[in-house]
Amino acid sequence: DADVTQTPRNRITKTGKRIMLECSQTKGHDRMYWYRQDPGLGLRLIYYSFDVKDINKGEISDGYSVSRQAQAKFSLSLESAIPNQTALYFCATSDTGTGGDTQYFGPGTRLTVL
Amino acid sequence: QKEVEQDPGPLSVPEGAIVSLNCTYSNSAFQYFMWYRQYSRKGPELLMYTYSSGNKEDGRFTAQVDKSSKYISLFIRDSQPSDSATYLCAMGHTGFQKLVFGTGTRLLVSP
Repeated sequence: DADVTQTPRNRITKTGKRIMLECSQTKGHDRMYWYRQDPGLGLRLIYYSFDVKDINKGEISDGYSVSRQAQAKFSLSLESAIPNQTALYFCATSDTGTGGDTQYFGPGTRLTVL
Repeated sequence: QKEVEQDPGPLSVPEGAIVSLNCTYSNSAFQYFMWYRQYSRKGPELLMYTYSSGNKEDGRFTAQVDKSSKYISLFIRDSQPSDSATYLCAMGHTGFQKLVFGTGTRLLVSP
């Protein structure tokens, strides 16, 4: 089984709908992240959480919210989806250790907002 | 100016070629450097990790960091069609707690 899983893998929705993307991990890591990836723009950080009680905004948090339900679960919500939120979304985890902030990614969710 | 610059490619090479992928950066505080490989419709997977300056080799892959020039490279020897993917550089430092990613270089290795 994959260490970082994301559901759904693909989603098509309409403008104005509320959408939740879910991420679960079995790596036992404390830190979790949500990114979006767009062609030519690379990976951009939306939100990150260093533990259950610690939530931080990334560089593009407007229009998004998150919930850290447990150490292993981190969900991303789009309160009212708009077409420019069409992108590939990735969840990642990390455990600082002595090796720096090495991040491990899930398989991604392809979201299309019509 | 972006904090990390990476040529988007695509870079097309024949099988067996030596491939050089590069990133430049502006933040001299970066201490650790990574290369991720991303196949189409998949999540990025960690390929190489290097702390501070120097080289690191792992099979056909060699990562180099030149902090004086703020330049990092990934070399792939004897490239294979299975190496066709997008390669992203990433970097950070212990006080930053986040990674900064390049936009990725798409590599195509033809048989």
